[in-house]
Amino acid sequence: DARVTQTPRHKVTEMGQEVTMRCQPILGHNTVFWYRQTMMQGLELLAYFRNRAPLDDSGMPKDRFSAEMPDATLATLKIQPSEPRDSAVYFCASGFLLGKNEIHNEQFFGPGTRLTVL
Amino acid sequence: AQTVTQSQPEMSVQEAETVTLSCTYDTSESDYYLFWYKQPPSRQMILVIRQEAYKQQNATENRFSVNFQKAAKSFSLKISDSQLGDAAMYFCAYRSAGTSGTYKYIFGTGTRLKVLA
Repeated sequence: DARVTQTPRHKVTEMGQEVTMRCQPILGHNTVFWYRQTMMQGLELLAYFRNRAPLDDSGMPKDRFSAEMPDATLATLKIQPSEPRDSAVYFCASGFLLGKNEIHNEQFFGPGTRLTVL
Repeated sequence: AQTVTQSQPEMSVQEAETVTLSCTYDTSESDYYLFWYKQPPSRQMILVIRQEAYKQQNATENRFSVNFQKAAKSFSLKISDSQLGDAAMYFCAYRSAGTSGTYKYIFGTGTRLKVLA
């Protein structure tokens, strides 16, 4: 049963600390998305990668957030330094996206990381 | 830029009845995909149904069906024979077809569906 995994599932940290969230996409998927969900802003796309290359990170605060894909099986989202306003649920999703008229055009979500910054 | 609007923050339906959730979107593209996602209290995002814009036929998945009106840019979700397990947050989402090199998903703000026993 292939699924996207995210670690940790919960993280409580103090303001100013570095936070690293990890995502393992479904094997064979070539696109990885990072989302942030809050009550106020809803579900926001932070960044996404295709074939490990960053395609769009315009939704991500550049001064403190960074996203990388060191290899095809791991995507990371880092916040340094963290702030209370970063408290949210962070979702990773992966998909196998080819382009126009592709067959497999859906994304599969991980269970999310609930981050609380005190 | 594309936008997705869900104007109903909350809806209620009696068990076994039918409910329709509304979604409108704005885009200048002709090729795109539309999705409905369900998020139960577990927070897991689950794909309910998808529609390709180039297909005129409305998508159906068991008790879930859509009313896709491309000219009106409307994409509503109908849930028939509602069950208690359908209670969740429902998100409408838009995605470009990828011809412009973008695969961004744009989500609406969600509609919370309550199912009454």
